[in-house]
Amino acid sequence: QKEVEQNSGPLSVPEGAIASLNCTYSDRGSQSFFWYRQYSGKSPELIMSIYSNGDKEDGRFTAQLNKASQYVSLLIRDSQPSDSATYLCAVLGGNQFYFGTGTSLTVIP
Amino acid sequence: GAVVSQHPSRVICKSGTSVKIECRSLDFQATTMFWYRQFPKQSLMLMATSNEGSKATYEQGVEKDKFLINHASLTLSTLTVTSAHPEDSSFYICSARDPRRQGSTGSQYFGPGTRLTVL
Repeated sequence: QKEVEQNSGPLSVPEGAIASLNCTYSDRGSQSFFWYRQYSGKSPELIMSIYSNGDKEDGRFTAQLNKASQYVSLLIRDSQPSDSATYLCAVLGGNQFYFGTGTSLTVIP
Repeated sequence: GAVVSQHPSRVICKSGTSVKIECRSLDFQATTMFWYRQFPKQSLMLMATSNEGSKATYEQGVEKDKFLINHASLTLSTLTVTSAHPEDSSFYICSARDPRRQGSTGSQYFGPGTRLTVL
């Protein structure tokens, strides 16, 4: 059973701060990792993908991967109220994605 | 990026009726599509994998006779909820992988979802 664990939150940060979202996974052989953002009542949208150890930056978003620790994180710099959403961590196993339960983020103006 | 559509976006039906939800990949051909269900404040739960030209693969605990999946073409998969009951009320989301981005770099694109309410 492949498992993806996230802290459900809620996580609250003030506007302009850095939001840090964490995820751990159980399958050591996993190679592909994704972060999705889901607004209430909407379907998930892909924010970042990461496949190699280290950091990957895209605008205000930075994904960090540590395969030895089976840990992947998402940092959001200069958080905006529009970033308030649920963030889903996903791990690709074979042809199937395994999702965490999501972390609810609220950015306070 | 790749686009996946769903129809209808919202449906309300009476208990005992059947509801069909369509999922289309608009700018790519998808040999495989996925159907998820999401209850309020919970994560996505994979229901089944829809394979073009063959039978769907259902996850454990999902009734294949209740949730009928037909992947009739490379751009269309349908999910039919038969004899729907109030406990089937949920947010149903389909997704597809763009074959132009296969292998370890494959990403999954979600449809906008269908909100089903069974009275």
